[in-house]
Amino acid sequence: EAGVAQSPRYKIIEKRQSVAFWCNPISGHATLYWYQQILGQGPKLLIQFQNNGVVDDSQLPKDRFSAERLKGVDSTLKIQPAKLEDSAVYLCASSLDPDAQPQHFGDGTRLSIL
Amino acid sequence: ELKVEQNPLFLSMQEGKNYTIYCNYSTTSDRLYWYRQDPGKSLESLFVLLSNGAVKQEGRLMASLDTKARLSTLHITAAVHDLSATYFCAVDSSLTGTASKLTFGTGTRLQVTL
Repeated sequence: EAGVAQSPRYKIIEKRQSVAFWCNPISGHATLYWYQQILGQGPKLLIQFQNNGVVDDSQLPKDRFSAERLKGVDSTLKIQPAKLEDSAVYLCASSLDPDAQPQHFGDGTRLSIL
Repeated sequence: ELKVEQNPLFLSMQEGKNYTIYCNYSTTSDRLYWYRQDPGKSLESLFVLLSNGAVKQEGRLMASLDTKARLSTLHITAAVHDLSATYFCAVDSSLTGTASKLTFGTGTRLQVTL
């Protein structure tokens, strides 16, 4: 079974620039998550999709972050404009419904803001 | 707001020794997950604990859940170097029958020395 695919693996940008990350979940997984993991901390949920609808985006900084999941499969997360504190690893995860299934994580995108 | 605390944050132990990592959380939940993360890698699911008193074992690792005490433990038996990694607990605050919504702990960085 192919895992969660993310790209790019690394990205370096200057503050105030924009950046986008892409995620392809495991086939058949209806739920998709984006997390932010700052160095030395646990992942923090940014947004959760069920198929192509948003379930929870309460921790997404909506003034600069946006995400979409068209057709209920792939997803993109965008930051515009980036701030220094956005430097982190952005992890995508997916899970198979119904509940109590473990989330499967991709390798993440390491974002550095200069 | 759900808070999840792990201790210790850092653990250095000799091969062959036993030790326990603790995960405390602040609100009612009967579903908890343990993940492992190697440096620069993504998160790997280790255990899914779904009820009070649940105990799961895999190799030298054993996880348990006490929902009344809001406590989960990850016990390491006769540690080996290959277990060196960061371990995260994650508490599920979603409603039964819905996809998981995880709040991660701070992580415990385990270093097993010869």
